Amino acid sequence: DAGVTQSPTHLIKTRGQHVTLRCSPISGHKSVSWYQQVLGQGPQFIFQYYEKEERGRGNFPDRFSARQFPNYSSELNVNALLLGDSALYLCASSPTLREQFFGPGTRLTVL
Amino acid sequence: GENVEQHPSTLSVQEGDSAVIKCTYSDSASNYFPWYKQELGKRPQLIIDIRSNVGEKKDQRIAVTLNKTAKHFSLHITETQPEDSAVYFCAARTSYDKVIFGPGTSLSVIP
Repeated sequence: DAGVTQSPTHLIKTRGQHVTLRCSPISGHKSVSWYQQVLGQGPQFIFQYYEKEERGRGNFPDRFSARQFPNYSSELNVNALLLGDSALYLCASSPTLREQFFGPGTRLTVL
Repeated sequence: GENVEQHPSTLSVQEGDSAVIKCTYSDSASNYFPWYKQELGKRPQLIIDIRSNVGEKKDQRIAVTLNKTAKHFSLHITETQPEDSAVYFCAARTSYDKVIFGPGTSLSVIP
């Protein structure tokens, strides 16, 4: 039984560029959440989607956006990258709006 | 705004002893409180959770208690083992469907 998958695993970008991160949830899970984890800190909530609708939004600028597709997979987009956007981006899937299971993450480095 | 505090930030215990990690949350309407374990370089893993209508939950060596009046919840690990060494995060789901993580507790179990 496949777990949450994320792509790519690692990514290097330069300031000002745009990035798209992808997540496939566990089969049957209809909710996907995105988190940013800076080294040494707890995950910071970015978005949650359930049944293709945004259900929660964290305190991130409008440069961050996301969407969920009919197959429940999701994309996180970040525009105009800043050095401070360097982090591990985690996707979590959930059968409801509670229990969440994390993917391996995408390590983004902004130079 | 919404906030989750977590103490202590680091904790060292002898193998076989108990470990207790405490969290407080600010949004009184929070209704779901998960705990995650994150080993170095790995994704956070859900180890136990509790809903706002329950005061205590136990799963083998792990237990969580919730005091809604005081807005406190705690993780108790008994008979600690070296493989319990990791960073532990508490989290709270707020009334606006945001999931707020605490800053983490680095637990070291000394053989």
